[in-house]
Amino acid sequence: AQSVTQLDSQVPVFEEAPVELRCNYSSSVSVYLFWYVQYPNQGLQLLLKYLSGSTLVKGINGFEAEFNKSQTSFHLRKPSVHISDTAEYFCAVEGYVTGGGNKLTFGTGTQLKVEL
Amino acid sequence: EAGVTQFPSHSVIEKGQTVTLRCDPISGHDNLYWYRRVMGKEIKFLLHFVKESKQDESGMPNNRFLAERTGGTYSTLKVQPAELEDSGVYFCASSPLWGTYGYTFGSGTRLTVV
Repeated sequence: AQSVTQLDSQVPVFEEAPVELRCNYSSSVSVYLFWYVQYPNQGLQLLLKYLSGSTLVKGINGFEAEFNKSQTSFHLRKPSVHISDTAEYFCAVEGYVTGGGNKLTFGTGTQLKVEL
Repeated sequence: EAGVTQFPSHSVIEKGQTVTLRCDPISGHDNLYWYRRVMGKEIKFLLHFVKESKQDESGMPNNRFLAERTGGTYSTLKVQPAELEDSGVYFCASSPLWGTYGYTFGSGTRLTVV
């Protein structure tokens, strides 16, 4: 079984400032890690994913995340945010099974609010 | 390509009524998932179809929920009778059968039971 913790329910930040959204996970098996974003009145959109290889993964809209196995973390970062980044961000894990197609376990979400 | 389509986008029903949510996955996607987010809580897995077969329905809350996937295409999720605690956003997602990690989600159906 897996679990995901997003400690920050809300993160306010000024435009052009850097931001980090924290995600920690727990799992007894190897996992794949994801960040999804939900803009107002829209569905969940995949931001980036870690499957294997380089621990630093880059996603859309200038976001990146770093997988840290020893700390069981997968924090999301952006060096300079824009107003349009205001959205809710979800961290998720998928337990490793060959071929994929497994259920995701989500965190409770972090609301990023970018202010002028 | 067309995305995952869900309808209705919103539904308000009274306690005890029946509601049916529909999901049209991306054409050719054999995996179809239902998830639910109750207000303020995490998004939780409900069930997983592979084509028309239920692969995993461990997340279904109780027998008031019935999911079907006709001919391996679209899927419906029926709640009968609806209770207040069923309120939330119901998401559908799909993915190809092999080799893809991470799904394509629909915009969700916001269900409010009053």
